[in-house]
This record gives sequence, structure tokens and C-alpha cells, in this order.
Amino acid sequence: DSGVTQTPKHLITATGQRVTLRCSPRSGDLSVYWYQQSLDQGLQFLIQYYNGEERAKGNILERFSAQQFPDLHSELNLSSLELGDSALYFCASSSGGGLYTGELFFGEGSRLTVL
Amino acid sequence: DQQVKQNSPSLSVQEGRISILNCDYTNSMFDYFLWYKKYPAEGPTFLISISSIKDKNEDGRFTVFLNKSAKHLSLHIVPSQPGDSAVYFCAARGTGNQFYFGTGTSLTVIP
Repeated sequence: DSGVTQTPKHLITATGQRVTLRCSPRSGDLSVYWYQQSLDQGLQFLIQYYNGEERAKGNILERFSAQQFPDLHSELNLSSLELGDSALYFCASSSGGGLYTGELFFGEGSRLTVL
Repeated sequence: DQQVKQNSPSLSVQEGRISILNCDYTNSMFDYFLWYKKYPAEGPTFLISISSIKDKNEDGRFTVFLNKSAKHLSLHIVPSQPGDSAVYFCAARGTGNQFYFGTGTSLTVIP
């Protein structure tokens, strides 16, 4: 158990819809990362938050948005869904900080299927 | 633009033999490299890491080698066990604590 909790584990929805994926980081971790894993693809970095503020953006579509709340949990919002958005979405957390060199701790992922 | 590449999608090894997983990167500013292991229906779990100032790090059966001039790192597993069968991701840390992942190598250890 990594200590990172993601909900829901599975989600099936239709094209054009909007969904929200939720992530609770490990206790004490300030950084949250979102990754997308499509079929036969690696982990594509979407976005990173540190203590409530956006720290870095990767290949995140404009239809997607995220935020990190004061209690440090994060939500990834996916809107106007397309078939190609079907993927595993992982959240990871780390303690963050300038001298941090440790690893990311991943949740079990949310599997999104768009029909 | 894939900054971290794992060119072998799959690898099969006999139990007891050595498994060598390879990873190449393009960004010379990466300062930290990690290997993650992923079982089906689970999130990736951290396996071993190496700082860019080192060329080798060992942890039990797992050793990571870093060749900065070639921008190449490898993970050696000796001896390989059936429980090592999983997908292995190579990752590199860039500026701002961003982590870049490869596409993974699926390792199968044959009993």
C-alpha cells in the first residue's frame, strides 16, 4: 500500500461527458502529480501541484484541468471526453522540496473508459 | 518528444539468469534516475534509483548502472525470479521535480 488513494478505480462514460478523478496523497506529501497511461504508452506526465499551486505542466489537453485543495487532495477534471481519452490515470505524490531526491509514490490508478 | 526511451517492449529470461533492462535519455540535465516496477492492476512501485553523480547503485539482487556519456542506464536483476515478472519503467528527474517516464519493458521470467 503506497498510501496514495485514487477514486474511482473504474469509470465508464460516454463521449462528450465530464468526469472528475480524485487523489489523496500520502500523509505529509505536498506534491501531487498526474500521469496518463494509454494503451502501449508510457506514463505521460500531465500536471504537478505543490502545496496547492501548479508547479509544472506536461502534455495536458485544454479540456483537462486539475487543482490541489488546501487539504492537499487533488482532482483531475476531464471534459468533452473523446474515445482517445480512455486510459489509466495515475496520481503520485512526493514530499517535494528543493533538495528532494526521493521517489514518487503512485496510487492504483483510475481506469477511464469512454464509449 | 520522448525524453526517456525504453526500446525493448518485452524481455524473457530463464529463472536464475540475469535480466538486463535498458533505458536511454536525451536530456543531459536530468539529475536523478529511477526504476519502477508495475504489476497488472496496480500502480508503479519504486524499485531502485541512482543519482547522476554516481555510476552504480546496488540493492540486493538489483543493480542500476549509469553511463552519462552515453546517456544510458540499465537495470540488472540477478538472479531473476518468477516474481520479478512485471513491467519495468525507467524514469528521470528534470528541473522542477518533473519526472519523465519511458514506455516500459515487460519482463517475463520463465520458471
